Amino acid sequence: KQEVTQIPAALSVPEGENLVLNCSFTDSAIYNLQWFRQDPGKGLTSLLLIQSSQREQTSGRLNASLDKSSGRSTLYIAASQPGDSATYLCAVIMEYGNKLVFGAGTILRVKS
Amino acid sequence: ETGVTQTPRHLVMGMTNKKSLKCEQHLGHNAMYWYKQSAKKPLELMFVYNFKEQTENNSVPSRFSPECPNSSHLFLHLHTLQPEDSALYLCASSQAGQSQETQYFGPGTRLLVL
Repeated sequence: KQEVTQIPAALSVPEGENLVLNCSFTDSAIYNLQWFRQDPGKGLTSLLLIQSSQREQTSGRLNASLDKSSGRSTLYIAASQPGDSATYLCAVIMEYGNKLVFGAGTILRVKS
Repeated sequence: ETGVTQTPRHLVMGMTNKKSLKCEQHLGHNAMYWYKQSAKKPLELMFVYNFKEQTENNSVPSRFSPECPNSSHLFLHLHTLQPEDSALYLCASSQAGQSQETQYFGPGTRLLVL
C-alpha cells in the first residue's frame, strides 16, 4: 500500500527565505506526482505536476524535483512571501490506477 | 460560476439526521471525485465516477451514499453519521478519469456531526 510522508509537518520562516519542502513515497511505481496548495477554508490548487519520466518542473518561484527510484520529491520555493502561507500537499498517482494518494501536508507560515 | 462549487460550505448535523452535500463542476469534465479530509490525516479518496458510473469505492461505510445524475453534478447523501465522520469533504473533477489529468478541487464542505 502506497504511503506518502511529508516533512516537516509545519514550517515558519521570515519573508525572503528560500525553502524546501520534502515528500517521500514508499512505492516507486508511480505515474506522476503533484504538489497542491490549500488555503484555509478553501479547496486545493494544483501547483506542479511531474510525470514519472521527468526530473523537475518549474513555475515562477516554484521548482519541484522528482527522484522516482528513491521515492522522493522536493518543492523549492524561492524568495518566500507572506502570500505563500498555506498548507502544501504532495500526492502521487500509481501506474496501475487513477487514485491520488496524499501526504498529510506541510503547513507553511511566512512572516513579514 | 466557474470551476468546481460545493454547497453547503458548512453543515452541522445530528447523528439521526439525513443531509446531502452537492458538488457541481463547470469545466466540462467527465470524472468526479469525493475526498474526505480529517484533522491531522491525509486526504482520503472516497468515490470516483467516470461518465456517471461509479468506478471506485474506497471501502466507504454505507452511511455515505453517492449519486451522480450527470457528469456535472455529484451528491453525497449522509445518514446516521458518527461524530468521527466530522471532516472537510472535498469534491474534485478531471477531464475523463485519466491518471495524467489534473484534478480540480472545490472549496469543500466542513461537516460537524454532533
